[in-house]
Amino acid sequence: EVQLVESGGGLVKPGGSLRLSCAASGFTFSTYNMNWVRQAPGKGLEWVSSISSSSTYIYYTDSVKGRFTISRDNAKNSLFLQMNSLRAEDTAVYYCARPTGDGGSYSAFDIWGQGTMVTVSS
Amino acid sequence: DIVMTQSPDSLAVSLGERATINCKSSQSVLYSSNNKNYLAWYQQKPGQPPKLLIYWASTRESGVPDRFSGSGSGTDFTLTISSLQAEDVAVYYCQQYYSTPPSFTFGPGTKVDIK
Repeated sequence: EVQLVESGGGLVKPGGSLRLSCAASGFTFSTYNMNWVRQAPGKGLEWVSSISSSSTYIYYTDSVKGRFTISRDNAKNSLFLQMNSLRAEDTAVYYCARPTGDGGSYSAFDIWGQGTMVTVSS
Repeated sequence: DIVMTQSPDSLAVSLGERATINCKSSQSVLYSSNNKNYLAWYQQKPGQPPKLLIYWASTRESGVPDRFSGSGSGTDFTLTISSLQAEDVAVYYCQQYYSTPPSFTFGPGTKVDIK
């Protein structure tokens, strides 16, 4: 079964750090670009970051540039999001998402994890 | 950056009736070299992750009931649920995946309820 499982969420104080992980299974992880998408409580979906299959290309939404770092370990079928200098507005459920791949770097997301909650509060 | 808008914000439809959701992009998401619209639709139920329904504006994802259909091109798109079922109560999002560099912008969502 194709699956993504996120972990690492929790409660952190403003200015703190957190590292999210996403474990992939059931598909050849190393051949897919991967993404992080977040959803603040009661709000819509916001794409956060993308990483290409070999980590050559990395992209971020403007609001997290310089604070978040996406990475992956293809040997361990894992995706990561290092989040530093966290702010209250980073409070959200964070999903990892796999693209269909049929559009290369530009594809819809067909596989999503269940998400991990990050709460930034003092 | 491409901005996505949706209308209406919410709608209530009787069981078995048609539901129509509109999505508009601030610039065309049609790539002329392959004639594909880089536009997807997702369904999200409470407490669940989004589920891909439609991609390339009109291609139904495997396993998605055929009462869901997508149409449109360029900047204007529509998701139609031809005969609303109880299990279709959800929030529906459109998403563009055209931008270079990638930005994968989502619309604000449309909530669908039973009248």
